[in-house]
Amino acid sequence: DAGVTQSPTHLIKTRGQQVTLRCSPKSGHDTVSWYQQALGQGPQFIFQYYEEEERQRGNFPDRFSGHQFPNYSSELNVNALLLGDSALYLCASSPADSVEQYFGPGTRLTVT
Amino acid sequence: AQSVTQLDSQVPVFEEAPVELRCNYSSSVSVYLFWYVQYPNQGLQLLLKYLSGSTLVESINGFEAEFNKSQTSFHLRKPSVHISDTAEYFCAVIDSGAGSYQLTFGKGTKLSVIP
Repeated sequence: DAGVTQSPTHLIKTRGQQVTLRCSPKSGHDTVSWYQQALGQGPQFIFQYYEEEERQRGNFPDRFSGHQFPNYSSELNVNALLLGDSALYLCASSPADSVEQYFGPGTRLTVT
Repeated sequence: AQSVTQLDSQVPVFEEAPVELRCNYSSSVSVYLFWYVQYPNQGLQLLLKYLSGSTLVESINGFEAEFNKSQTSFHLRKPSVHISDTAEYFCAVIDSGAGSYQLTFGKGTKLSVIP
């Protein structure tokens, strides 16, 4: 049973560019959340998707957007990248009616 | 807004000694509490959780945590640590009373087990 998978593993982008990160949830899970973990910090909630809709959003600017597909996989898009967007981006999935979130290995984004 | 405080950023401890990692959260009527562990260059693994019922919860590898509502705490303990416990530990909360789905994390505690 595959866990949460994320791609790519690492990514290097230049300021001003756009990036798309991808997540496949654990089998049987229909809810996907995204978190940003800056170096030396705890993860910060970006948003959560359920039934292809953004259900809740954290304190992140509109440059951060997402999408959930009918197969429950999800994308995180970040536009107009800033140096401060460099971080580990974590995807977490959970089954319906459960608060337990299971995390993927993350995508390390470096903005130069 | 909910917040989580992990009072110790780093905790060194000798192998086979006991350890306690402290966690306090801002007050709320109803919360769910979690401890996650993160090994270097990896994602987060759920270590244990409090959702309801018994205030003492245990993990399969010997960790335990106790929910104390009056002190708004959820400290993590292990009576005897191993080298393999070296990792960063994050306390997290969901404010269920506010109808929230998001995990709010503390800044983490790095546990270093010394041989």
